[in-house]
Amino acid sequence: DAGVTQSPTHLIKTRGQHVTLRCSPISGHKSVSWYQQVLGQGPQFIFQYYEKEERGRGNFPDRFSARQFPNYSSELNVNALLLGDSALYLCASSSGQGETQYFGPGTRLLVL
Amino acid sequence: AQSVSQHNHHVILSEAASLELGCNYSYGGTVNLFWYVQYPGQHLQLLLKYFSGDPLVKGIKGFEAEFIKSKFSFNLRKPSVQWSDTAEYFCAVLNTGRRALTFGSGTRLQVQP
Repeated sequence: DAGVTQSPTHLIKTRGQHVTLRCSPISGHKSVSWYQQVLGQGPQFIFQYYEKEERGRGNFPDRFSARQFPNYSSELNVNALLLGDSALYLCASSSGQGETQYFGPGTRLLVL
Repeated sequence: AQSVSQHNHHVILSEAASLELGCNYSYGGTVNLFWYVQYPGQHLQLLLKYFSGDPLVKGIKGFEAEFIKSKFSFNLRKPSVQWSDTAEYFCAVLNTGRRALTFGSGTRLQVQP
């Protein structure tokens, strides 16, 4: 069975640019969550989507946005990139809210 | 705010040694508890989880964890580690109301052959 997939695997951007990260959940999973993992720290929650609606949001600025599509895949958008946005961005899917989350390999973003 | 503390940041053990990694959380409501592992070059994988019932849960690869509600703890144990257990281990708590995982800062385990 295919797990959670994310694209791209690596990305290099410059300050002020915009980035879009993509995630495909495990087949049958309707919930997608996004996390940011800075080197040396645990993942930090950004968003959760369930049935195409935002169900939770972490302490991130409005530069961060996301959406979920009818096929339950999801995009994370970050505007006006800052150096501090350099991190591994993880997507996790679950069959429903409050269920076990399974993680993808992540997208490593470097902002120069 | 909910938080998770992992007491050991870096642990070095010899093969066959016993392992215990500490995890404490601060949240008074209903929680679901997880341990995830990240092997070098790989993505986060679920090691074990506790939702309810028997507070001693068993996971993959011989790992187990004990939920002690009175101590707000969920420590990870393994009787005899192997070199292949070298990885970073994360404790996480799911606030069933907020539906978001809160992670600890992780423990890097290095097992020497």
